Amino acid sequence: DTAVSQTPKYLVTQMGNDKSIKCEQNLGHDTMYWYKQDSKKFLKIMFSYNNKELIINETVPNRFSPKSPDKAHLNLHINSLELGDSAVYFCASSPPGASTDTQYFGPGTRLTVL
Amino acid sequence: AQSVSQHNHHVILSEAASLELGCNYSYGGTVNLFWYVQYPGQHLQLLLKYFSGDPLVKGIKGFEAEFIKSKFSFNLRKPSVQWSDTAEYFCAVNQGYKLSFGAGTTVTVRA
Repeated sequence: DTAVSQTPKYLVTQMGNDKSIKCEQNLGHDTMYWYKQDSKKFLKIMFSYNNKELIINETVPNRFSPKSPDKAHLNLHINSLELGDSAVYFCASSPPGASTDTQYFGPGTRLTVL
Repeated sequence: AQSVSQHNHHVILSEAASLELGCNYSYGGTVNLFWYVQYPGQHLQLLLKYFSGDPLVKGIKGFEAEFIKSKFSFNLRKPSVQWSDTAEYFCAVNQGYKLSFGAGTTVTVRA
């Protein structure tokens, strides 16, 4: 069974478009995250939600808007896509009651902006 | 702010060689430390973690890491690598909900 899943796996789009990436976890976790991995493989946290509440927002442009309809889902919507948004986006989740516990990562979504 | 440094950008070695990857962090308080591995084209997977107790932790696939508090280090080791260990290795430190990653070390194992 997939623990943390993301759709789509690949996303190719034109500059200026709006796109969404979906994430779902079936681990019963309370906290979910979005990370961006750039072309040099550097991973940086973007957002974190705990029980549908935003707890981390790491100076990400407001073109990026996370949405958590419930604890099991954290979607990422990106408006007015730019070339620099090309990256692999990873969703992750961690168990309830332990903010410092292991994070479990999804398979990633490779976004290419042309 | 928390920072995590990985000493090696790219390591190339032959099968059966020993591997050691360095990791240092800057935070002086209580930390939780992790090593994640990313095989080509795959997502991150946890290799091992240290929260407390024995500073020598053993993970999956024969990996181990040693936490040395006085040196702010958490180095990863494997006595004898295999071709299948070719991957990107990330050290990470947890500060509250935020996991800070090092820049990663690419490990290439030649058959």
